[in-house]
Amino acid sequence: KAGVTQTPRYLIKTRGQQVTLSCSPISGHRSVSWYQQTPGQGLQFLFEYFSETQRNKGNFPGRFSGRQFSNSRSEMNVSTLELGDSALYLCASSLSGQRSWETQYFGPGTRLLVL
Amino acid sequence: DAKTTQPNSMESNEEEPVHLPCNHSTISGTDYIHWYRQLPSQGPEYVIHGLTSNVNNRMASLAIAEDRKSSTLILHRATLRDAAVYYCTLVSGGFKTIFGAGTRLFVKA
Repeated sequence: KAGVTQTPRYLIKTRGQQVTLSCSPISGHRSVSWYQQTPGQGLQFLFEYFSETQRNKGNFPGRFSGRQFSNSRSEMNVSTLELGDSALYLCASSLSGQRSWETQYFGPGTRLLVL
Repeated sequence: DAKTTQPNSMESNEEEPVHLPCNHSTISGTDYIHWYRQLPSQGPEYVIHGLTSNVNNRMASLAIAEDRKSSTLILHRATLRDAAVYYCTLVSGGFKTIFGAGTRLFVKA
């Protein structure tokens, strides 16, 4: 079974631009979560989607948004990029995200550099 | 959100056991304890999880204190490939996993 895939793997943008990152979960997984990882703040939860609905959201500004499609694939968008948005963006999938014993499977991440 | 506390770093010799501690004093009765690790330049990967009883799998063992306020991840024989950042997390229904800073494990040959 293929793992979680994320595209692109690397991205360079300039301040003020917007960016869209994509995540394909493991086949059969319906919950997709997004995380931001930076050296200073560590791994921070962005949001989680299930059946095309955002169920949970972390403490990030409205510039960060996401969506999930009917095939469970997910995208996240960051508008008006700031230098501080430079980070590794990780996507994780799980079967339903509703059972506390479920395992999350992480993708390799998209490394975003904002200049 | 319940938080976890881990040492910033630990060091081990190759082929020796490693005990990675985690404190989670505000754990609730329904929180599962999950451990993940992140190898350099990779996303985190699942290691083990448990609720109340000690757990074993092919990668590691998880020892959970009787009051559930702490747990210990045990790598029985550390190898160089186990050098990674280990995260102890608490998960309750409805995914919003909160990761702490983790423990960076150094393994010496």
